[in-house]
Order: sequence, then structure tokens, then C-alpha cells
Amino acid sequence: GQSLEQPSEVTAVEGAIVQINCTYQTSGFYGLSWYQQHDGGAPTFLSYNALDGLEETGRFSSFLSRSDSYGYLLLQELQMKDSASYFCAVRDQGQAGTALIFGKGTTLSVSS
Amino acid sequence: DTAVSQTPKYLVTQMGNDKSIKCEQNLGHDTMYWYKQDSKKFLKIMFSYNNKELIINETVPNRFSPKSPDKAHLNLHINSLELGDSAVYFCASSLYRDKNYGYTFGSGTRLTVV
Repeated sequence: GQSLEQPSEVTAVEGAIVQINCTYQTSGFYGLSWYQQHDGGAPTFLSYNALDGLEETGRFSSFLSRSDSYGYLLLQELQMKDSASYFCAVRDQGQAGTALIFGKGTTLSVSS
Repeated sequence: DTAVSQTPKYLVTQMGNDKSIKCEQNLGHDTMYWYKQDSKKFLKIMFSYNNKELIINETVPNRFSPKSPDKAHLNLHINSLELGDSAVYFCASSLYRDKNYGYTFGSGTRLTVV
């Protein structure tokens, strides 16, 4: 089966940098994704890493190390609007079909 | 233009009732999903359809029955609602069934069973 571990909560102040870690166990690996969800909203896609290394998209970056079964989401120049839940996800494997399996989410609280 | 739309947004109903949630996507995606998010925000896959064909059916009570009349629509019917069914249900779609990225979620249906 698949499992993902990420911290349940992270707090930071505006302008800071925060890193949200994710470790995973999968029977097959097809990349690591990150999604953001604001309270009352829908999950929205942030980033995807299929290969080792860092992917940068504006203030957000995502890193993957396949040998360590580990990835992280890096948020820079934090803003209040970044307060949300962040989920790492991997594709299910071993089923007739596939779907994303999500971690339990990390609640990020940004204060002024 | 809403990419993935779900109706209704809120649904309050009594135990034992039968209800449906509708989902439509205008992205031209081939694969659609239903996820359940509980009060602890855990997102769990329920069903996946690819071109109207059921490809994933997780351990979900058979009171839940998805229906896909065409690849742009995936509806969820729930019979004999129970208190434990209270959750937010998200419909999602993706262009490719075998890719991790690019899931587009609907805004969710908050179901409350009383």
C-alpha cells in the first residue's frame, strides 16, 4: 500500500521561509505532487516532481529525493494568504486504475 | 467558466434519506474522481472513472453509487444516508489517468446528515 507522512501543523511569520516535509512509502513511484487548500475551498495543484531535484515556481519550490523517499515544499516570502493546508500526494499503484493518494495535510498558519 | 462544477454546494438531510451530488467538467478531461474529505481534512479516494468506465472503487459502502453518463459528468448517489456520511465530497478531473499532476477539483459539496 501507500502511505505519506507530513507534519500536522507549521507556524511562521510574514516574510519568513517555511519548509513542509513529506516522506512516502509506495509500491511503485510516479512522482510527488503538492496541493494547497484554503479553509472552505478546493484543493489546488501547486507542483509536481518526477525526478530528483528542485522545481521552482515563483515563491514556491518543491524538492524530491527518490532514494530517500522524501520531498518538501518550500514557501518563501510568506504572506498571510499562504495560510492554508498543504497536501503531498502520490499516485496509487496496484489498482486496475490509478488515483492520487494524499497525505493528511499540513496546516500552515502565517501571522503578522 | 467554471472548470469543475458540483451541485449542490451544501446539502443537509436526515438519516435514511437518499441524495445525489452532480459533477460536470468542461476541461475535456478523460478521468474523473470522487474524494471524501472528513472533519480532519483527510482526502480519501472513493471512485475513479475513465471515459465513463469505472476504474477504481475503493472500500466504500455499496450505498454509494457513482454514475457517469458521459466523460464530462460524474454523479454520486447515496442511499440510506448515515451520520458518518457527513463530510465534504469533492469531484475532480484529470487529463491523463496515469499522471500525478493537474487534478482539478470542484468546490466541494458539504453534506450534513442529521
